[in-house]
Amino acid sequence: QLQLQESGPGLVKPSETLSLTCTVSGGSVSSSRYYWGWIRQPPGKGLEWIGNIYYSGTTYYNPSLRSRVTISLDTSKNQFSLKLSSVTAADAAVYYCAREDTSMEKGFDYWGQGTQVTVSS
Amino acid sequence: DIQMTQSPSTLSASVGDRVTITCRASQSISSWLAWYQQKPGKAPNLFIYKASSLESGVPSRFSGSGSGTEFTLTISSLQPDDFATYYCQHYNSIPWTFGQGTKVEIK
Repeated sequence: QLQLQESGPGLVKPSETLSLTCTVSGGSVSSSRYYWGWIRQPPGKGLEWIGNIYYSGTTYYNPSLRSRVTISLDTSKNQFSLKLSSVTAADAAVYYCAREDTSMEKGFDYWGQGTQVTVSS
Repeated sequence: DIQMTQSPSTLSASVGDRVTITCRASQSISSWLAWYQQKPGKAPNLFIYKASSLESGVPSRFSGSGSGTEFTLTISSLQPDDFATYYCQHYNSIPWTFGQGTKVEIK
């Protein structure tokens, strides 16, 4: 059974860089069948797609965040990571990592449990 | 960006009711639409993909329909476990975007 687990600091200072890692078990980030993505949800609000990465390292970002986002892949650790620079209070949210099944054209079929990130000095 | 608009935002219904949620896209997305269920404090769960395909393990009382710009999620007979928030999401073109959500509440 595929599992995804987010990890990283729960508190980030304004203007600093948010860094999160998603560890994948029960499957491989090197598979050509899937994209690996990040989605966030501010408290009490809806979902926002941040970006995806493919096994080749090709990335796709939300234009609204593109200038501040980097998503990378570490196949040796079966992980992918998110970096969001110059954070403000508006970046406080639950951050989810997820798998997008492109072979079945499904959307995000597996999600991590989410990790809460607070932005505060 | 393609905007996704769900209606209603909140829906009050009783167990056994037939429930329909609508999702409209600001431009055609063909059938590249997914529906998710989210319960408080949990990650979303994929229920429907490609507008009308039922994800494995999802009860058959859930169904999706539509193409182009208008889509619906129908629950044929609402069960206690179905009270949750439902989101639509398109994956037609970057950026993927979600609807604002529809909360299904107990009447």
